[in-house]
Amino acid sequence: DGGITQSPKYLFRKEGQNVTLSCEQNLNHDAMYWYRQDPGQGLRLIYYSQIVNDFQKGDIAEGYSVSREKKESFPLTVTSAQKNPTAFYLCASSPHGGVGTGELFFGEGSRLTVL
Amino acid sequence: AQTVTQSQPEMSVQEAETVTLSCTYDTSESDYYLFWYKQPPSRQMILVIRQEAYKQQNATENRFSVNFQKAAKSFSLKISDSQLGDAAMYFCAYRSAWSGGSNYKLTFGKGTLLTVNP
Repeated sequence: DGGITQSPKYLFRKEGQNVTLSCEQNLNHDAMYWYRQDPGQGLRLIYYSQIVNDFQKGDIAEGYSVSREKKESFPLTVTSAQKNPTAFYLCASSPHGGVGTGELFFGEGSRLTVL
Repeated sequence: AQTVTQSQPEMSVQEAETVTLSCTYDTSESDYYLFWYKQPPSRQMILVIRQEAYKQQNATENRFSVNFQKAAKSFSLKISDSQLGDAAMYFCAYRSAWSGGSNYKLTFGKGTLLTVNP
């Protein structure tokens, strides 16, 4: 079945360590996104990519980095510069760079806890 | 920049009854998409319903329907015959219909937590 796979589902990190969250999609979608979810804050956009080898900062990009070397993969690195990294992270994708139906398709999320 | 506001942090409904979740948004654009997503305890985001701004007819999907008021910039979700499985966090979201730049992203409200009482 086509879909978006995020891993790991749960991750614990010590302060000062970088950590990378994986996001893989087999939907043949052009665009991919990373959102952060905190209680009472809704979903906030970290980074997005409309095409391979190109990506743009979202609303809260500080302390995060991404790469888009393959169409199906969009990993997110949470660096030690991120002041409050404990959160739930959602990866999403959409076809044709977001045109068409406009909706996003989501993975199951990754819960990052900093100890 | 577009903003989406959900004024009800929490709502509750009795099983089999009807509930309406509110959403307002701010935009200067004339063409856009609006969405309601559901996030159950599993935290998987599920699309409930979608509305294109150029369509005057309100979207419906089985027990879910919207009241889209473009002039008022209001987009409420009505859930009829509520079921226990409807209990979830509901997010309203906006996306520009114009391609290019940051218009691809969805802007989300902060969510409404719906409880369904048996």
